Amino acid sequence: DAGVTQSPTHLIKTRGQQVTLRCSPKSGHDTVSWYQQALGQGPQFIFQYYEEEERQRGNFPDRFSGHQFPNYSSELNVNALLLGDSALYLCASSFSGPGELFFGEGSRLTVL
Amino acid sequence: GEDVEQSLFLSVREGDSSVINCTYTDSSSTYLYWYKQEPGAGLQLLTYIFSNMDMKQDQRLTVLLNKKDKHLSLRIADTQTGDSAIYFCAESISGNQFYFGTGTSLTVIP
Repeated sequence: DAGVTQSPTHLIKTRGQQVTLRCSPKSGHDTVSWYQQALGQGPQFIFQYYEEEERQRGNFPDRFSGHQFPNYSSELNVNALLLGDSALYLCASSFSGPGELFFGEGSRLTVL
Repeated sequence: GEDVEQSLFLSVREGDSSVINCTYTDSSSTYLYWYKQEPGAGLQLLTYIFSNMDMKQDQRLTVLLNKKDKHLSLRIADTQTGDSAIYFCAESISGNQFYFGTGTSLTVIP
């Protein structure tokens, strides 16, 4: 049983570019959340997708957008990259409702 | 926003018990969690406790919850070198949004 898988694992972009990160949830999970973890910090909630809709959003600008597909996989898009967007981006999946949240290994984004 | 606070560092000798502490602010939290993160890796769920419980034990791990003081702790018995990692506590109200602390870096000395 595969857990949460994310791609790519590492990527380097320059300021102003756009990036798309991908996530496949754990089998049986229907809800995907995205978190940003800056170096030395705890993860910060970006948004959550359920039934292909954004259900809740954290305090992130509109440059951060996402999508969930019918097979529950998800994408995170970041436009107009800033140096401060450099971080580990973590995808987490769960079954709808409170309970366990399982994380992938993350996509490490470096913006130069 | 919700604040979850943890001490930054903890160092223990192999075989001793480790106690990692966390305080949170939102009294309506439904679940409280402990995650482990090893270098370069994602977060691994260790255990969680529902807010109407005081204690939960799972093998070497014991979680204590004091709702009155909004204090959560994780005790690791017989700490091993493989337990060296960063430990995050997190709270969730509805299960939608998790609030994480800044993490406690545990170093186990052989």
